[in-house]
Amino acid sequence: GQNIDQPTEMTATEGAIVQINCTYQTSGFNGLFWYQQHAGEAPTFLSYNVLDGLEEKGRFSSFLSRSKGYSYLLLKELQMKDSASYLCAVSQSRDDKIIFGKGTRLHILP
Amino acid sequence: EAGVVQSPRYKIIEKKQPVAFWCNPISGHNTLYWYLQNLGQGPELLIRYENEEAVDDSQLPKDRFSAERLKGVDSTLKIQPAELGDSAVYLCASSSRTGSDEQFFGPGTRLTVL
Repeated sequence: GQNIDQPTEMTATEGAIVQINCTYQTSGFNGLFWYQQHAGEAPTFLSYNVLDGLEEKGRFSSFLSRSKGYSYLLLKELQMKDSASYLCAVSQSRDDKIIFGKGTRLHILP
Repeated sequence: EAGVVQSPRYKIIEKKQPVAFWCNPISGHNTLYWYLQNLGQGPELLIRYENEEAVDDSQLPKDRFSAERLKGVDSTLKIQPAELGDSAVYLCASSSRTGSDEQFFGPGTRLTVL
C-alpha cells in the first residue's frame, strides 16, 4: 500500500532551527517533494529530492534516505513568516502518481 | 508569466445543485491535476491529465464528478449533484511533465455546500 506520515503539528521559536520528518511507503519511488502552504493559500514548491543526501537552498534544506523511506525538511533561522503547513509528497514510479501527506502545521513563537 | 488561474475563488450552493470549476494551467504545461483538499489535510488527487487524456481518474467519484480538458489546455471539473460532504477547496495544478517536475498550484476554489 501507500502511506506518507508526518507530524500533525510542531512549534518552534523565531531564530531557531526546526526539522520536520516524513516517512513513506509507496509503490516504487520517483522522487520526494516538499511544499509550503500558508493558511488559505495554494501550496508552493520548496524542494525535490531523488538521490540520497542533503539538498540545501538558503535557509531550507531537505534530506532523503531512500533505503529508510525517510526525508526531513530543515528550516534554519526561523522567521514568523515560516508559520505554515509543510507538505511531504512522493512520486510513485509505478504509476507516476504523486501522493501528498497530510501536512505538518508549524507554529513560530516570537 | 501568469500562474495557474482558477475560477471562481469561492462558491456557495445548496445541496443537490450542480457546480463547475474552471482552470487555466501555465502555458506549455502538458500535465494538469485536480485535487480536493479538506481543512487540515493534504491535497488528494481527483484526476490527472496528460494533454487531453485523463491518465489517472481512479480517485474521481464518477457517479457525480466529471472533468474534461478539451484541446489539452483549459479544464473544467463538475459536480452534479453536490452533497454536503463535497465542501472543500478544489485545487488545480500543472507541471511540464508528470512524476518528477514540481507542480504549480492555482489559488483554489473554496466550495461550501449548504
